[in-house]
Amino acid sequence: QVQLVQSGAEVKKPGASVKVSCKASGYTFTTYTMHWVRQAPGQRLEWMGWINTGNGNPKYSQNFQGRVTITRDTSASTAYMELSSLRSEDTALYYCAREWGGKYFDNWGQGTLVTVSS
Amino acid sequence: EIVLTQSPGTLSLSPGERATLSCRASQSVSNNYLAWYQQKPGLAPRLLIYAASSRATGIPDRFSGSGSGTDFTLTISRLEPEDFAVYYCQQYGSSPSFTFGPGTKVDVK
Repeated sequence: QVQLVQSGAEVKKPGASVKVSCKASGYTFTTYTMHWVRQAPGQRLEWMGWINTGNGNPKYSQNFQGRVTITRDTSASTAYMELSSLRSEDTALYYCAREWGGKYFDNWGQGTLVTVSS
Repeated sequence: EIVLTQSPGTLSLSPGERATLSCRASQSVSNNYLAWYQQKPGLAPRLLIYAASSRATGIPDRFSGSGSGTDFTLTISRLEPEDFAVYYCQQYGSSPSFTFGPGTKVDVK
């Protein structure tokens, strides 16, 4: 069965960077685009960007352009999301999500809590 | 960017009752590329409905979606105990963009 397993919770200081991983199993990693979505406390889900796991090309939401970098390692079937210049408003649960049908998300990781605090 | 609003914010119902959740878009959703997700506490969202009215794999037929353009509805015909959760709508648009609504919480009356 499809599984997306994310790395553990992180605590970071303002201005630092964080890198979250998402290891996929149960399907051919390079045949599905992987997205990153975050959920801040009390806020709606927010799309951050995707990576074409086949050719490695990323696409970012304008809201995060310049601060987010999404990469992948096909040999490890793992996608990564790095967010830089962290601020307190970046405290959130970060999810990886597999794209389905070009427009939806059919499988999600368990979420990684990133806390930004001085 | 298309903004989605959902109503009501909270819906208090009893098991066996019918739930009707609304999702409204600030502009017409391209080709009705609208989905509904269910999220329970501590868990990731689960895809229920895609393309406004198609059920995802394994989703019970008590869940149905309808609507087009700017107005969409998720209906749960008879609430089961496991259906009490938060429900989000999500649209896909050009650029590309993926946006979500703020959610409707369905809780036990």
